[in-house]
Amino acid sequence: DTGVSQDPRHKITKRGQNVTFRCDPISEHNRLYWYRQTLGQGPEFLTYFQNEAQLEKSRLLSDRFSAERPKGSFSTLEIQRTEQGDSAMYLCASTTQRRAEFFGPGTRLTVL
Amino acid sequence: ILNVEQSPQSLHVQEGDSTNFTCSFPSSNFYALHWYRWETAKSPEALFVMTLNGDEKKKGRISATLNTKEGYSYLYIKGSQPEDSATYLCAFETDSNYQLIWGAGTKLIIKP
Repeated sequence: DTGVSQDPRHKITKRGQNVTFRCDPISEHNRLYWYRQTLGQGPEFLTYFQNEAQLEKSRLLSDRFSAERPKGSFSTLEIQRTEQGDSAMYLCASTTQRRAEFFGPGTRLTVL
Repeated sequence: ILNVEQSPQSLHVQEGDSTNFTCSFPSSNFYALHWYRWETAKSPEALFVMTLNGDEKKKGRISATLNTKEGYSYLYIKGSQPEDSATYLCAFETDSNYQLIWGAGTKLIIKP
């Protein structure tokens, strides 16, 4: 399978815990995006990497959120001290140049 | 603030009927307009990326038109089938950064 993969697919955690998600993009794609999607809404941009450089980060993203792409390949998104409002689907997408984005299956986070 | 609006929010269509829905986006700083289909339990899948005013793209029974001067795009589905049931998302890409600005989607339900 050469698509975008995300791990885990589902995560249930208690409020206050830290969680980390992983995204493995399509190998030749240099651009990687993280989005959050809540019920009834379209994807909300969180952050964007070109290779290993984080070029853009949503102003809506609190300091509890951090993302890395250390070698320009896979990326991780960490949420510290989770809150119930963090419950959402977290999507990763990759692309090369200005083309359509290929999405992973998403990680559904539930914060109890 | 750049805003993308889609209408209607949801649509019930009888199998075999044709349908269309709208995406409105800013007419300034335009680079591209993307359409995606998002089926339940799957990842969003790119349908079209359109860049030129007057563009019309077709994929099977689905087609899309683009008017960048007035800031709208239509998605048409001819002879709807149950497998067309999905949320259809549009996303606006500006000429100044690589971030897609997403609409909330039109949820299409095909009634057999």
